[in-house]
Amino acid sequence: SQTIHQWPATLVQPVGSPLSLECTVEGTSNPNLYWYRQAAGRGLQLLFYSVGIGQISSEVPQNLSASRPQDRQFILSSKKLLLSDSGFYLCAWAQGLAHTDTQYFGPGTRLTVL
Amino acid sequence: DAKTTQPNSMESNEEEPVHLPCNHSTISGTDYIHWYRQLPSQGPEYVIHGLTSNVNNRMASLAIAEDRKSSTLILHRATLRDAAVYYCILTRAGNQFYFGTGTSLTVIP
Repeated sequence: SQTIHQWPATLVQPVGSPLSLECTVEGTSNPNLYWYRQAAGRGLQLLFYSVGIGQISSEVPQNLSASRPQDRQFILSSKKLLLSDSGFYLCAWAQGLAHTDTQYFGPGTRLTVL
Repeated sequence: DAKTTQPNSMESNEEEPVHLPCNHSTISGTDYIHWYRQLPSQGPEYVIHGLTSNVNNRMASLAIAEDRKSSTLILHRATLRDAAVYYCILTRAGNQFYFGTGTSLTVIP
């Protein structure tokens, strides 16, 4: 069966510090991968998606970036965090075209920027 | 952009049916309607999805209006474990996703 992992589970970082969040998927190959952010009390905002190694599409311009160095690894990064980057970050995967397919979400990373 | 509108909150008594509405008046012909639910501090969980016809699975039923401008998620017998935020989502080719604000469902014992 497929599983999706995210770490760390929680993170508290000062403004201006760098960020690296990792997501890995097991039990499948060549998945579509997604990064979402959820601000407190809000819905999900799609940040990035990837259909293959080294292929990243950005949905929202901001100080975050994403990379996919391996087939089942997706990394969210920032060089300098802003207060507005606080939120709940979710990674998801889907097999095939996500608009017709189910997305499976990871447990999330709670990021607080102080 | 395709947008969904949901009530902010709803309540249901335990073991009674729950009908969660979603309006998506700007839906296009190939948009799929997905429903996910989310417990506090957890990732969303898939519930059901459909295109035009009503759909049933072990978790719920999805009733889609004939003009597709609205849909209703039906939980046949609400349990305390069904208390969550329910999101109605339109998905479109090209990895376009349009999330509603979600409905917070409270189940009363």
